[in-house]
Amino acid sequence: GDSVTQMEGPVTLSEEAFLTINCTYTATGYPSLFWYVQYPGEGLQLLLKATKADDKGSNKGFEATYRKETTSFHLEKGSVQVSDSAVYFCALRFINNAGNMLTFGGGTRLMVKP
Amino acid sequence: DTEVTQTPKHLVMGMTNKKSLKCEQHMGHRAMYWYKQKAKKPPELMFVYSYEKLSINESVPSRFSPECPNSSLLNLHLHALQPEDSALYLCASSQETSGGTTDTQYFGPGTRLTVL
Repeated sequence: GDSVTQMEGPVTLSEEAFLTINCTYTATGYPSLFWYVQYPGEGLQLLLKATKADDKGSNKGFEATYRKETTSFHLEKGSVQVSDSAVYFCALRFINNAGNMLTFGGGTRLMVKP
Repeated sequence: DTEVTQTPKHLVMGMTNKKSLKCEQHMGHRAMYWYKQKAKKPPELMFVYSYEKLSINESVPSRFSPECPNSSLLNLHLHALQPEDSALYLCASSQETSGGTTDTQYFGPGTRLTVL
């Protein structure tokens, strides 16, 4: 079945460092891909998405490009802030008989130190 | 506006109590979802409602009973829960479940449930 694999955390960075969180997927067809962020004690917020190959999603300085050839959707940010400390989930949307569902990666905790 | 609201924010209940979680959205979405999230884990799907009808029950124990009174509201009724049911319960909504390219799930802030 469809699956998502994320790099294990925690990822610890200093403020203003460059961030990459790797995400690869296995899927039949061409799923839509998402990054969600979960701040401490909160629900999931949609960070960005891409619906087809070579699409680039971007929001709040974060970017991810849908790479079909490498089945990847890595999250990047050029300069992280302490406020970016959170858990990041990569997800793909798949279709089954009941409709469209999300499958999540295991999540990557990011800790940014001042 | 992509807001999904959930109440209460925190809930502590005993194993013999009956309580309900509430979720609301006013985006005109016709699909609504309940997820359960344990600490340091991704959300796990519990139920899906599509056009106010239950379309998916992921083999959830009967002590969890969902209800969709109208297209904006989703409830989760809780009865005779176990301590291992303690978790963050997340509600989400999307335009529909047909898989259109614009269909994105938006999540609420969750209810932190503790079962004593």
